[in-house]
Parts: sequence; structure tokens; C-alpha cells
Amino acid sequence: LAKTTQPISMDSYEGQEVNITCSHNNIATNDYITWYQQFPSQGPRFIIQGYKTKVTNEVASLFIPADRKSSTLSLPRVSLSDTAVYYCLVGPAYSSASKIIFGSGTRLSIRP
Amino acid sequence: KAGVTQTPRYLIKTRGQQVTLSCSPISGHRSVSWYQQTPGQGLQFLFEYFSETQRNKGNFPGRFSGRQFSNSRSEMNVSTLELGDSALYLCASSPGQGGSTEAFFGQGTRLTVV
Repeated sequence: LAKTTQPISMDSYEGQEVNITCSHNNIATNDYITWYQQFPSQGPRFIIQGYKTKVTNEVASLFIPADRKSSTLSLPRVSLSDTAVYYCLVGPAYSSASKIIFGSGTRLSIRP
Repeated sequence: KAGVTQTPRYLIKTRGQQVTLSCSPISGHRSVSWYQQTPGQGLQFLFEYFSETQRNKGNFPGRFSGRQFSNSRSEMNVSTLELGDSALYLCASSPGQGGSTEAFFGQGTRLTVV
């Protein structure tokens, strides 16, 4: 699977837009980009998945440039409850769970 | 639709004991996977089951085992517990045969070995 690189931590304030970028230089043609959110002592929660260009749902947007070597998770108008660890994963959309590899993630801290 | 349910939520065991954790997947999901999460190692894959068959196993010692029942519920067992087994154990379910990167996780079981 393609290795991902994302910032270890980020800080922001309530009401701001937060963009977390993930680098995946070795992404394969059939790989999708998936983001998960995890709160302390809870399981990760699926946020969004995309293949190219832009995907938007009620929670976030995912921007993927044409070369797909990076992606940006955008969280609009964050609140304190968005404080969590965010994981970027790259892999086939349908594959064995053994291939779902979570990296270190980005620890996002939102301040009042 | 009910989510993935893991029981118990918290558990304290003594070194050398064994423990069994339970996971009930989302109704209709046939694939169940288990993960161990520790501060030092992050989230690591333990094993995956589909239709009562173990499909894949991570790099863990044989003290870690699991099974899946005909109703897709799954259990994992850790024997001869060690202090290093203290972790959050997470179960995830997926709908299809091939699994999915859109996995649905339970809240986990926090195991503390003393």
C-alpha cells in the first residue's frame, strides 16, 4: 500500500476552516483516499473517501489534485468537538482489512 | 441501524490470565476485523474473519486468537496475558466479501493488565 505522510499535529480556533494535507507519492491507479476521525478511547470513524478532484459530504470536503500524489481534508468552521486525531489512508476501495493501515495521524486541537 | 457493539467496554486482568472480548457487527455485515491500539504502536491489525473463516492474520503471537460465529458475531481471545497486552482493542465490520476501506468501528474494549 502507498505510504502516507501527514502533519503530526495542528492547532486552530473555533469557527475557522481547517485543512489537513496528506502526501501519498506512490499512490496506485486503483487506490482511493480515505480519511478517518478518532476521538480518545473510541474507534475511528469514517469521514470521507475519494478518488480524484473533489468530494463533499455533510462533514467535510476532500480535494485531490490531478496527479493524486496528495490530498487535503477540509473541515469547515470547526468547533471544539472536532478536536481528534485524523488519519489519511490510501488503498483499494474494496480490499482485505489487513491492508487498512493507519499511520500516526494528525492530532487536531481546536481552541475556543 | 445499530452500530458495532463491543463488550465489555473496560476490563482489568492479571498477568497470566486469559480474556475473551466480543464484537457484534452491524446487521448484514459479514466481515469482522480486530485491531490493537497502543500509544506506542498505534493501530495494528490483528485478524479478519469472513463467513466464519479467518482470512488474514497480523503479526501477533499465537496467544491471540479469534473466531466468528454463523451470525457474524466474533470473539477474540488472549491467553497468558502480559503487561504489554494492555491496549484498546477495536473491532470493525464491513459489508462485503472483500472488505472495504469504509470500515465501521466499535467503541473498543479497554484492557488493562496488572
